[in-house]
Amino acid sequence: AQSVTQPDIHITVSEGASLELRCNYSYGATPYLFWYVQSPGQGLQLLLKYFSGDTLVQGIKGFEAEFKRSQSSFNLRKPSVHWSDAAEYFCAVGTASGGSYIPTFGRGTSLIVHP
Amino acid sequence: DVKVTQSSRYLVKRTGEKVFLECVQDMDHENMFWYRQDPGLGLRLIYFSYDVKMKEKGDIPEGYSVSREKKERFSLILESASTNQTSMYLCASSPGGGNQPQHFGDGTRLSIL
Repeated sequence: AQSVTQPDIHITVSEGASLELRCNYSYGATPYLFWYVQSPGQGLQLLLKYFSGDTLVQGIKGFEAEFKRSQSSFNLRKPSVHWSDAAEYFCAVGTASGGSYIPTFGRGTSLIVHP
Repeated sequence: DVKVTQSSRYLVKRTGEKVFLECVQDMDHENMFWYRQDPGLGLRLIYFSYDVKMKEKGDIPEGYSVSREKKERFSLILESASTNQTSMYLCASSPGGGNQPQHFGDGTRLSIL
């Protein structure tokens, strides 16, 4: 069965600093990978996705992620963090199940941004 | 713009009550999902549906049931609410036919007293 690990429960960065959130997955085939963001009191919003092709994918709000098959990783990055980026971030891997799409989510990383 | 609407943002019920959480999507999506979200546990799948009147159990279906009588509506039912069902509940939908990202509602924070 597939699984997703986000090793960092909390990450604290200063505004303007760079950011990297880690995600490791376990899945036998080529995975479909996603990063979502959840602002306080809101549902999840898709930041970016990887299906195939270029292993560096660009998303919304200035985020990018790099798929590394050899490391089973899909880390999320941003070169300069803004205070509004403070939120919960979830990595997810999607797999097919009888023609349906069933995603598995990591437990999330809470990003704290200091002024 | 796509939209997934959950009927209540906050809900307070008593133990033993039958509780209905409603979710409506306006995107004609085939798939719909119910998750509960608890601190430190991330999102856990309760049930999902890939078509009208079809449902599949997720990881934690015990104590819950679902109904999908129309394509746009997916209801979560707590047959006899218990305090350990106090949680944030998130509904999501996605198109069928492949691995497509999900669209989420804003959640219902349910408290069982």
